[in-house]
Amino acid sequence: SQQGEEDPQALSIQEGENATMNCSYKTSINNLQWYRQNSGRGLVHLILIRSNEREKHSGRLRVTLDTSKKSSSLLITASRAADTASYFCATDGILTGGGNKLTFGTGTQLKVEL
Amino acid sequence: GAGVSQSPRYKVAKRGQDVALRCDPISGHVSLFWYQQALGQGPEFLTYFQNEAQLDKSGLPSDRFFAERPEGSVSTLKIQRTQQEDSAVYLCASSFVGYEQYFGPGTRLTVT
Repeated sequence: SQQGEEDPQALSIQEGENATMNCSYKTSINNLQWYRQNSGRGLVHLILIRSNEREKHSGRLRVTLDTSKKSSSLLITASRAADTASYFCATDGILTGGGNKLTFGTGTQLKVEL
Repeated sequence: GAGVSQSPRYKVAKRGQDVALRCDPISGHVSLFWYQQALGQGPEFLTYFQNEAQLDKSGLPSDRFFAERPEGSVSTLKIQRTQQEDSAVYLCASSFVGYEQYFGPGTRLTVT
């Protein structure tokens, strides 16, 4: 089952604009991660934020985390056509032996138009 | 360096056929994961290996699904007597224990 939901399901913006995607989850977490998936390609890890962090930056990406509301947001600034993709948040739970089982949200489809 | 590779990239199977999907993880990665991604959904966890040991298979949807990693590197996900609801993209990921997972491009399975 999916851990949470992304909002909006789809987003269309012009190149240069900012894109904001939100993610809500259901259970307590250790970390929350954001992934990007291009058509025909695998998932690419973007950024990880730990449960004791509130905000994290990586290049044009800014992630916030509110554990009291069980929600996170991903902001992409100055978007480019190459940012067109599906974006997923994922929370992790510890598996036997120490592995991290990722539970993904339903994803936001972002389209950046020229 | 080489990333995670999966083969075949596309597989069409008639209902009732058996299929085998292969994953070659990044060399040295101890952990290997299989996920199933239905159209328009996020990936869902199927199973997890640490070396050759299958430590969690709680996500496998039925006993028709079987995964193995006999030598602790390459893994095969086998689906017996495929059904239409098995149509999905099957993703493999590998990692060092507890670290970032690197995903392969996936195998798109279509059951007709």
